[in-house]
Amino acid sequence: KNQVEQSPQSLIILEGKNCTLQCNYTVSPFSNLRWYKQDTGRGPVSLTIMTFSENTKSNGRYTATLDADTKQSSLHITASQLSDSASYICVVSPSSFSGGYNKLIFGAGTRLAVHP
Amino acid sequence: SQTIHQWPATLVQPVGSPLSLECTVEGTSNPNLYWYRQAAGRGLQLLFYSVGIGQISSEVPQNLSASRPQDRQFILSSKKLLLSDSGFYLCAWSVRTSGGFQETQYFGPGTRLLVL
Repeated sequence: KNQVEQSPQSLIILEGKNCTLQCNYTVSPFSNLRWYKQDTGRGPVSLTIMTFSENTKSNGRYTATLDADTKQSSLHITASQLSDSASYICVVSPSSFSGGYNKLIFGAGTRLAVHP
Repeated sequence: SQTIHQWPATLVQPVGSPLSLECTVEGTSNPNLYWYRQAAGRGLQLLFYSVGIGQISSEVPQNLSASRPQDRQFILSSKKLLLSDSGFYLCAWSVRTSGGFQETQYFGPGTRLLVL
């Protein structure tokens, strides 16, 4: 069964500290993996996207890593800011050889709170 | 640039009443369109997707329906709401290509529905 598991479920850190969020998936075959940031009461916004052959992708203070062998990804946030407080969602896209629609597999998200 | 709108932002409805949520996309043509529901602490659940006017695919059997009367308009409806229909409803769009549905999905601001 295609699943995406994220940990921790929630996290509290102090402003300026770094943190790492984890994503494990069982989706196969695999096309790409995305991390989204969702502010409370808003729609998710894409942060990074990585294909099977990519190991790391950065977007400012956000760095995502991917290990396709162990089916694990992480999102590292450097020098956290209060505005980083949000839910971070890992989304895996199965491969589609026919070009048809394969439902994206969403994790439940990690809720991050950055405190001053 | 492309923008996606949803309304209303918040809705409180009694059980058994009808529902109509609207989503429109600007700045792009022939998008793929999606309706998701997000329950607290859960991953996004795909409800419907559409590849063109009048073309709707349903992912989850339920008392909801979707319609696409125009290229950039997607409507989520119900004839009689249930308590279990409460949740955060997100509309999304993606670029339609010959390669299928692997493109990044861009989400709207969401509608919070509370059924009492």
